Amino acid sequence: AQRVTQPEKLLSVFKGAPVELKCNYSYSGSPELFWYVQYSRQRLQLLLRHISRESIKGFTADLNKGETSFHLKKPFAQEEDSAMYYCALKSSGNKLVFGAGTILRVKS
Amino acid sequence: GAGVSQTPSNKVTEKGKYVELRCDPISGHTALYWYRQSLGQGPEFLIYFQGTGAADDSGLPNDRFFAVRPEGSVSTLKIQRTERGDSAVYLCASSLGPVSSYNEQFFGPGTRLTVL
Repeated sequence: AQRVTQPEKLLSVFKGAPVELKCNYSYSGSPELFWYVQYSRQRLQLLLRHISRESIKGFTADLNKGETSFHLKKPFAQEEDSAMYYCALKSSGNKLVFGAGTILRVKS
Repeated sequence: GAGVSQTPSNKVTEKGKYVELRCDPISGHTALYWYRQSLGQGPEFLIYFQGTGAADDSGLPNDRFFAVRPEGSVSTLKIQRTERGDSAVYLCASSLGPVSSYNEQFFGPGTRLTVL
């Protein structure tokens, strides 16, 4: 079965602290993984995709096939990072399978 | 340019009624997706259109749910004999082609459906 697991419903950190949002997946084959973000009162939008290996808004995510993980990291959290984050996997059927999401709350 | 739009933004209906939810994708996007998001969950796939045809409708929960895209642009999700369990946010997304690392999927604001 193709599945995405985000074990934390809520992650609360102080401004300036490092952030790691966990994502594990289940997929046979070469996965395509994404992180989506939803800020308050805004629509869901793509944050980054594993294939581009880029840093967006200071966030990076590395695909670890051995651990079937795609954790999202940022060295120094900012208040504007507070949002809901979803990890997603492109399934074999040209659709996305989403995790349940993690709320990131950055406190000042 | 305009993004994906959905109407209505909110819909309240009574159990047993019929509802239609509309999605206007980004112009030129051939792929259109419907997802359903229940409280505390991530979006869950319902159906995918490539052009006018439903390429994958495996996510539709039962035959009360139906979707069309007659001209390959606007899509309508139709729900018959609504049940309280249908209450959720219904999201529409579009992309230039089938979603992939090379075809970003753009989401609409969603329609919040409440079945009383």
